[in-house]
Amino acid sequence: HVQLVQSGAEVKKPGASVKVSCKASGYTFSDYYMHCVRQAPGQGLEWMGWINPNSGDTNYAQNFQGRVTMTSDTSISTAYMELSRLRFDDTAVYYCARDAVAWEYQLLPGENGMDVWGQGTTVTVSS
Amino acid sequence: NFMLTQPHSVSESPGKTVTISCTRSSGSIASNHVQWYQQRPGSAPTIVIYEDIQRPSGVPDRFSGSIDSSSNSASLTISGLKTEDEADYYCQSYDSRTVVFGGGTKLTVL
Repeated sequence: HVQLVQSGAEVKKPGASVKVSCKASGYTFSDYYMHCVRQAPGQGLEWMGWINPNSGDTNYAQNFQGRVTMTSDTSISTAYMELSRLRFDDTAVYYCARDAVAWEYQLLPGENGMDVWGQGTTVTVSS
Repeated sequence: NFMLTQPHSVSESPGKTVTISCTRSSGSIASNHVQWYQQRPGSAPTIVIYEDIQRPSGVPDRFSGSIDSSSNSASLTISGLKTEDEADYYCQSYDSRTVVFGGGTKLTVL
């Protein structure tokens, strides 16, 4: 059974950093891009970036350049998203989501969508 | 990069058919696949259409996708509406190394 299990809720102060983990099971972790998508309260989905766990290659949305870092540890099938210099408007649910097709069989990340999502991690930025 | 624009909300009665549009701001809608996701309150999104028109196993055939190059848009059509279809729907596409989501459409089935 393919699933992604994320770390628990976090409360952080402005200016701090948060690191969310996403543990994969049921498939070969290094074969699929992993995305991070966030959703602020009452708002839509916002793509933050992706990582290829096999190569460590990453790409981030322009809105988060310089503040977000995605990493992975293939030995424990876990991806991480760290967001630094937190602001109040970073309060959101953060999801990890797996690409639907192995990177070997598609040209670009997101090409065939994201078929497995984590349960979400609520990050609250509060003073 | 481009943007994907969706109507903020749509509503329709049970048993009817509704179509949600997703318009690409620049570049051809046909040049990159479009996916659609359903998100119910308090839950993670689930994919209902991929590669413009394909339906994952387990998604009812009441859900269908299409693209229209003349309007540079993709559409999600849900026929035989059920109250359980009430949710937010998001389109998604990509360009080079970037992924883009539409702003989402709230579907009310009343």
